[in-house]
Amino acid sequence: ELKVEQNPLFLSMQEGKNYTIYCNYSTTSDRLYWYRQDPGKSLESLFVLLSNGAVKQEGRLMASLDTKARLSTLHITAAVHDLSATYFCAGDTGTASKLTFGTGTRLQVTL
Amino acid sequence: DAGITQSPRHKVTETGTPVTLRCHQTENHRYMYWYRQDPGHGLRLIHYSYGVKDTDKGEVSDGYSVSRSKTEDFLLTLESATSSQTSVYFCATSRAGRNTEAFFGQGTRLTVV
Repeated sequence: ELKVEQNPLFLSMQEGKNYTIYCNYSTTSDRLYWYRQDPGKSLESLFVLLSNGAVKQEGRLMASLDTKARLSTLHITAAVHDLSATYFCAGDTGTASKLTFGTGTRLQVTL
Repeated sequence: DAGITQSPRHKVTETGTPVTLRCHQTENHRYMYWYRQDPGHGLRLIHYSYGVKDTDKGEVSDGYSVSRSKTEDFLLTLESATSSQTSVYFCATSRAGRNTEAFFGQGTRLTVV
């Protein structure tokens, strides 16, 4: 059974600083996803990581996957207030894309 | 964005009453899912469907049933609502294939009093 753990659960950041969110998973996961959720809103897909060593970047966010360590990271470069949201990682196994989510990291970027 | 519409968006119901939530998609995605979101738990899979009339249980399926009579519609039914089913429910869809991702609806906030 796949289990996904994220840390930290809450992250208060200053604008302009760099931070990393960590996502550990317990067993082999075919794919690793990162989602963003604003308060009261739906989940927005950020990244899909398919293989060991995969790295994807979009703006100030960069996600990577190390399947041997069962670890994915979401790195935030020079944080801005607009990045304040809750970030979820999720893994899946099999062909049906059934996602197992971490508990989320609530990110707050302050001036 | 995948065209996913959930209805209703908000509902308050009494303990013991039946409740049905609807998910409608316009993307012709093969897979559809129902998740619930609770503080401290992230999202958890309730049931999913891999085709018309093909459904299976997820992690937290007790007290829930689903039906999918058409590709575009996936219904979640609480046969007899309990306070522990107070939650935000999200529908999601995805295409078949390896390089794919799930797209989520706007969510339904259900309160059981």
